[in-house]
Order: sequence, then C-alpha cells, then structure tokens
Amino acid sequence: EPEVTQTPSHQVTQMGQEVILRCVPISNHLYFYWYRQILGQKVEFLVSFYNNEISEKSEIFDDQFSVERPDGSNFTLKIRSTKLEDSAMYFCASRVQGTGELFFGEGSRLTVL
Amino acid sequence: QQPVQSPQAVILREGEDAVINCSSSKALYSVHWYRQKHGEAPVFLMILLKGGEQKGHEKISASFNEKKQQSSLYLTASQLSYSGTYFCGTEPGGSYIPTFGRGTSLIVHP
Repeated sequence: EPEVTQTPSHQVTQMGQEVILRCVPISNHLYFYWYRQILGQKVEFLVSFYNNEISEKSEIFDDQFSVERPDGSNFTLKIRSTKLEDSAMYFCASRVQGTGELFFGEGSRLTVL
Repeated sequence: QQPVQSPQAVILREGEDAVINCSSSKALYSVHWYRQKHGEAPVFLMILLKGGEQKGHEKISASFNEKKQQSSLYLTASQLSYSGTYFCGTEPGGSYIPTFGRGTSLIVHP
C-alpha cells in the first residue's frame, strides 16, 4: 500500500540551528501539507502546496519556515533558525485531490535544546 | 478557525458505547475523522461530505449535520484497540485545508 514517508524520524538540534525535514508523498497525489503537533496538543496546519507553489499558509508559518520541492517528488520543510518552541512532531500529509482523505506520514520529531 | 470537540476525554470498559462531537462556527463542506495512537501518525477513519450523511466502518460510524455544522462519531461496543485520540478535521466551503480540533482522548479498559 502506498504511503507517505518522512525523514528523519527524530532530530535533536541546538537553538538557532537550521533544520530540514523531508517528505516523500504518494506519487499520484496533488495536494501536500505540513502540520505540526506539540506534545499532547492538537494538530496544527502550517502550509499547503499545490501545483508547485504554496497555496496557503498559517500564521505559524513565518519567515523562518520555507517549503520546497527540489526534485519534483520530495518535499522539504526548512526551519532556518530553530527556537525552543519549535520542538514538536512535524507531519507531512498528501491527498489525491483538494478534498478527501489525508494520508499522513509517520512524522519527524524535532527536539530543540 | 479550529473546530470544537467534546468531550475532552472518555474512559470506557470494553463493550461500552461512546459519542464524540465536533462543531464548527463556519459553514462546512466536509468533516474528517482520524484516530491517533500515542507516538504515531493520525489514521483516517472516514470523511463526510453531505448534510445528514451517516457513514459506518464496522462498529464506528459518524453523522454530519450540515445545517448545524456539527458532526458526531459513534463508537459501538468499544474494543481495546479503539483507545487513542480522536480528531475531527473540518473544511469550510472553498477551503482545501483541513483544520483539526484539540482531540478527544478515548481510553478503553478491559
């Protein structure tokens, strides 16, 4: 069964360092999302991506965040200068069309020290 | 704006039933339901697109009242495997962004 894969599964970094999280969505999916979940809290929307560009972003997705699709298949979420409050589980999700089931990856746990 | 879920937590014994509610202040196009086990990704349960539609998956079903912008998830004869956090995700009309509630923690005891 096709699945969304994310790497790394866990990353520990020092405050102020840059972090890149990677996602390989399901190949025929057209809509892509990044969400984050601070431990024990709700799943928060960060950014959506469609047709090779950002379609919508939340207030959380400020200038320190960026998302790219460097090779037409993989996605990356970059956090330029991490803060303690960026510690969270980051989920990549995709779906075939604008509506319908979201397929989530297993997540990347980011710990900022 | 995120949907509001209730209750925050439910504790059951195997075989008991539970209802989890989700409401939104916006007119909705769809409602999603997901279950998340501790340390894992959310897993899709079902999606409801029409007002008054009810869907079922084994002993888990859901309804969607489009006029009231509310959805309810029904878990019948709960099993230990039902334990987890249940999230509803709502999409207002014209938005392709599911927004999730704070979740309902469900614990099923033997």
